[in-house]
Amino acid sequence: EAQVTQNPRYLITVTGKKLTVTCSQNMNHEYMSWYRQDPGLGLRQIYYSMNVEVTDKGDVPEGYKVSRKEKRNFPLILESPSPNQTSLYFCASSPNSGAGYTFGSGTRLTVV
Amino acid sequence: ILNVEQSPQSLHVQEGDSTNFTCSFPSSNFYALHWYRWETAKSPEALFVMTLNGDEKKKGRISATLNTKEGYSYLYIKGSQPEDSATYLCALGNNNDMRFGAGTRLTVKP
Repeated sequence: EAQVTQNPRYLITVTGKKLTVTCSQNMNHEYMSWYRQDPGLGLRQIYYSMNVEVTDKGDVPEGYKVSRKEKRNFPLILESPSPNQTSLYFCASSPNSGAGYTFGSGTRLTVV
Repeated sequence: ILNVEQSPQSLHVQEGDSTNFTCSFPSSNFYALHWYRWETAKSPEALFVMTLNGDEKKKGRISATLNTKEGYSYLYIKGSQPEDSATYLCALGNNNDMRFGAGTRLTVKP
C-alpha cells in the first residue's frame, strides 16, 4: 500500500531532550515536507526537500533540523525542544512540485 | 509571503443543503491550486489539483472552479451529507513549496 509512515503518533517529552520524528514513504516521491498544525492557523511548512541531500527552510524552521540521506526517509529532529513546539506535525510527500501531497498520519507532540 | 485566505472559517448546514466556500490567493506567479479534505483524527486527503485558469474539477457531489487572474477558487458541495463534515483546505503550490490556508470547517447536521 502506497503510504507515508510517521512515528511516533503521540509523544510527550520534556524541555531540552532531543527527539526525532521519523517519516518514510514507499512511493519513490521526489518531494517531502514537514508541516505543523496549530489551532487557528493553517498548516505551516517547517522544511522541505526536493531530492536526496537537497533540503530548504519553510516558513517556521527555527528549532528544527531535517536530513534527506535517502529518498524514502525524511526525519524531523528537535535538538532542544521547547513548549512552543507543542503541536501536531505532518510529514508529506509528492512526486513533483505540481502534484498533491500524500500526508502521513500525524504526530502529536507535547513538550512540557 | 504568499497569503492564502479561506472563507468562511466555519460553516454549519443541514443535510441536503448545497454549500460553497472560497479560497483567495495572490494571482502573480501562480503554479497550482490544491484542495484537501481533512476529517477529524485523520490526515488531509487530496481532492483536486488545478493549474489552468477556468479549470473545473468534479468528484461526485464535490466540484471546484479556478480563476487565476483574479486569484480565487470555489469549492462546491451539492446536497451535503453528514459524512461531508470535515475541514476543507486549499493550498497554493509553487515550485518549491505548498502554502496552506487555515481551512473552512464544515459541519453537516442530519
